[in-house]
Amino acid sequence: DVKVTQSSRYLVKRTGEKVFLECVQDMDHENMFWYRQDPGLGLRLIYFSYDVKMKEKGDIPEGYSVSREKKERFSLILESASTNQTSMYLCASSLVGRASSYEQYFGPGTRLTVT
Amino acid sequence: AQTVTQSQPEMSVQEAETVTLSCTYDTSESDYYLFWYKQPPSRQMILVIRQEAYKQQNATENRFSVNFQKAAKSFSLKISDSQLGDAAMYFCAYGYSGGGADGLTFGKGTHLIIQP
Repeated sequence: DVKVTQSSRYLVKRTGEKVFLECVQDMDHENMFWYRQDPGLGLRLIYFSYDVKMKEKGDIPEGYSVSREKKERFSLILESASTNQTSMYLCASSLVGRASSYEQYFGPGTRLTVT
Repeated sequence: AQTVTQSQPEMSVQEAETVTLSCTYDTSESDYYLFWYKQPPSRQMILVIRQEAYKQQNATENRFSVNFQKAAKSFSLKISDSQLGDAAMYFCAYGYSGGGADGLTFGKGTHLIIQP
């Protein structure tokens, strides 16, 4: 089974702190994604990566950056955390191409609170 | 840009009954995938069912089935013989086959309550 893990289930940070959210997948997937989940808004794509060191902006990249130095690991960085970044963050991964049916596998999520 | 609309923020059904969750989407593409994901309380998001747009036959997975109406851009999920474990947030999602690594576009979700 595909396993996607995230470094923390719950995280509390102060405004202005630099925050790192880590995601690791163990199935050699090329694609990795970071989503933000808010009540009433569903999931919104922040960034994705289709290869090591490659990244693309999603729908809401402002205030975030990402890093992918190894294929299995994709990090989301909040350069200077703000209270409006309090949210649930979900990482996902998938294979490339039609054979995968574009199914994404999700991690358990990190609930981040910025105070 | 693609959009996915789930018009039912919350649905409630008696245990053992059937419930249908609605989803509509907007796209100009002809080759795409549609998904229903389930997110139980405080648990991981998991795939319930998947439909390929080029397949006319509706997908089924045990008690879960879809009604895919391509012309109407409608993709509803039917849950038969509802069980307490079906209680969760359900998200409809769209994936574009030609988009490579593009992320899925999700609806806002439907909170399904199962009444014992």
